[in-house]
Amino acid sequence: DADVTQTPRNRITKTGKRIMLECSQTKGHDRMYWYRQDPGLGLRLIYYSFDVKDINKGEISDGYSVSRQAQAKFSLSLESAIPNQTALYFCATSEGRGNYEQYFGPGTRLTVT
Amino acid sequence: AQTVTQSQPEMSVQEAETVTLSCTYDTSESDYYLFWYKQPPSRQMILVIRQEAYKQQNATENRFSVNFQKAAKSFSLKISDSQLGDAAMYFCAYRDYTGTASKLTFGTGTRLQVTL
Repeated sequence: DADVTQTPRNRITKTGKRIMLECSQTKGHDRMYWYRQDPGLGLRLIYYSFDVKDINKGEISDGYSVSRQAQAKFSLSLESAIPNQTALYFCATSEGRGNYEQYFGPGTRLTVT
Repeated sequence: AQTVTQSQPEMSVQEAETVTLSCTYDTSESDYYLFWYKQPPSRQMILVIRQEAYKQQNATENRFSVNFQKAAKSFSLKISDSQLGDAAMYFCAYRDYTGTASKLTFGTGTRLQVTL
């Protein structure tokens, strides 16, 4: 089984709808991240969390919110989806500082029509 | 803020040949980490290689090696004996050594084609 899972893998939704993307990990890592990937822009950080009581904004948090329900679960919500939130979304986990690798989930392709 | 620049949107290499992907970065920090990630068509992000800035020796992982030039803030990836499975997007990424967030800053990526 994959160490970092994301659901759904693909989603099409309409403008104005609320949508939640979920991430679960079995690696036992404290740090979890949400990134967004757009063509030609690479990956950009939306939110990150050190533990269930620590949530931090990344560089593009506007229009998004997150919830860290447990050490293993980190959800990303779009309260009112808009077309320019169409993108590929990745969840990642990390053991801690230093050169510890960030482990990525398989991604969720979200299309807002 | 740190920035990472990949100036080659697309590259092409013939099978069995060698290709070098470029990456430059901007930081005022002296200690940091650099990474190359591969994203094949499956879209999974896969770590290829990592480099600690305090190490002078260039990292090597099988057919993948880096040329780390700290003074020039350059971190290129060399792929030797290219294989069809190397075709993918490649992202260069930077992480502070001292920052508690351990956030990654990514470049915009280079799409590598491998031809027969």
